[in-house]
Amino acid sequence: DGGITQSPKYLFRKEGQNVTLSCEQNLNHDAMYWYRQDPGQGLRLIYYSQIVNDFQKGDIAEGYSVSREKKESFPLTVTSAQKNPTAFYLCASTASGNTIYFGEGSWLTVV
Amino acid sequence: AQSVTQLDSHVSVSEGTPVLLRCNYSSSYSPSLFWYVQHPNKGLQLLLKYTSAATLVKGINGFEAEFKKSETSFHLTKPSAHMSDAAEYFCVVSGGFKTIFGAGTRLFVKA
Repeated sequence: DGGITQSPKYLFRKEGQNVTLSCEQNLNHDAMYWYRQDPGQGLRLIYYSQIVNDFQKGDIAEGYSVSREKKESFPLTVTSAQKNPTAFYLCASTASGNTIYFGEGSWLTVV
Repeated sequence: AQSVTQLDSHVSVSEGTPVLLRCNYSSSYSPSLFWYVQHPNKGLQLLLKYTSAATLVKGINGFEAEFKKSETSFHLTKPSAHMSDAAEYFCVVSGGFKTIFGAGTRLFVKA
């Protein structure tokens, strides 16, 4: 079945550590997105990528980095520069103007 | 430019009564419009989508939405609320590779 796979589902980060969240899709979608969701709030766009080897900053890109070396993969790194990383992270993909598919999400907690 | 506004941050209904979640949008394109639902600690699930076919769109779990171009609205309705409908609902507008999320509406269902 086609879909988006995020891993890990739960991740704990120590202060000063970088961590990477994986996002893989087998839908052959060109566009992929990373969103952050804080309790009781909507989704905020971190980064998005329309094609391989290209990506753009979203609304809250500071402290995050991404890569798009393959069409099916769009990993997100939460760097030590992100001062408040505890949140729920959602990866999504879409063909232009079509249904957005989401992963199950990853919970990141700073310990 | 695209934008989406969910007019209510919280809606509370009694079980068995109608549900109305309001969404207004603006778009320079002919947009695709979606409603997604998110249950606590879960990813997002597609309820329904409008992509320039019939203006009344039927989705899963008895939900439907009507696209009204003159009012730039895409309100979500359900004739009779069920306890399991309690969740966060997001209205989404998409055109090209730009996808915009509303801030979300939390639906509470009282027994």
